[in-house]
Amino acid sequence: EPEVTQTPSHQVTQMGQEVILRCVPISNHLYFYWYRQILGQKVEFLVSFYNNEISEKSEIFDDQFSVERPDGSNFTLKIRSTKLEDSAMYFCASRDRPYSNQPQHFGDGTRLSIL
Amino acid sequence: DAKTTQPTSMDCAEGRAANLPCNHSTISGNEYVYWYRQIHSQGPQYIIHGLKNNETNEMASLIITEDRKSSTLILPHATLRDTAVYYCIVRLHLSGNTGKLIFGQGTTLQVKP
Repeated sequence: EPEVTQTPSHQVTQMGQEVILRCVPISNHLYFYWYRQILGQKVEFLVSFYNNEISEKSEIFDDQFSVERPDGSNFTLKIRSTKLEDSAMYFCASRDRPYSNQPQHFGDGTRLSIL
Repeated sequence: DAKTTQPTSMDCAEGRAANLPCNHSTISGNEYVYWYRQIHSQGPQYIIHGLKNNETNEMASLIITEDRKSSTLILPHATLRDTAVYYCIVRLHLSGNTGKLIFGQGTTLQVKP
């Protein structure tokens, strides 16, 4: 069964450094998402991406965050200057197309630890 | 998107059916009910979804009341591997809606031997 894959599984970074989290969505999917989950808290929506542009972003997704689809398969989340509070699990998700009732499918996440 | 209410936790004996309730009394006609689960800190795993008819797949059954104000996820023969946090989420399907998912705290299901 097709799945969303994320790399790396664990990223340790010094505060203030840039980090890029990578995702390979399911191959025929067109809508992409990033979510995060701080330890012990709820899964929170960050951003959605369709047709090479952001379609919606949350208040969490400030100027330090950016997303990109650099080629036909990867979808990345960049944090420009990491803060301690960015430590969390980051999940990528994808679904087939807009206006579809089909579900999003999630990857197993990247654990980001900021020192 | 309509809000959902779920019990914080439930226990179930291994091999028995697990019935997880969800209240979504403000659901609108265009909103689907989705169920996901999260095992440890893995990514949320899709289980099943429905609009108004009952649904069944290889993982579970979804029973939606006639007024659509509540639903129940049924795991017919729970195993220890079904221990997880289960999320009931209501999502819109209108033009322009991005389909983002709003997660609550979910129900922690503990399957016991």
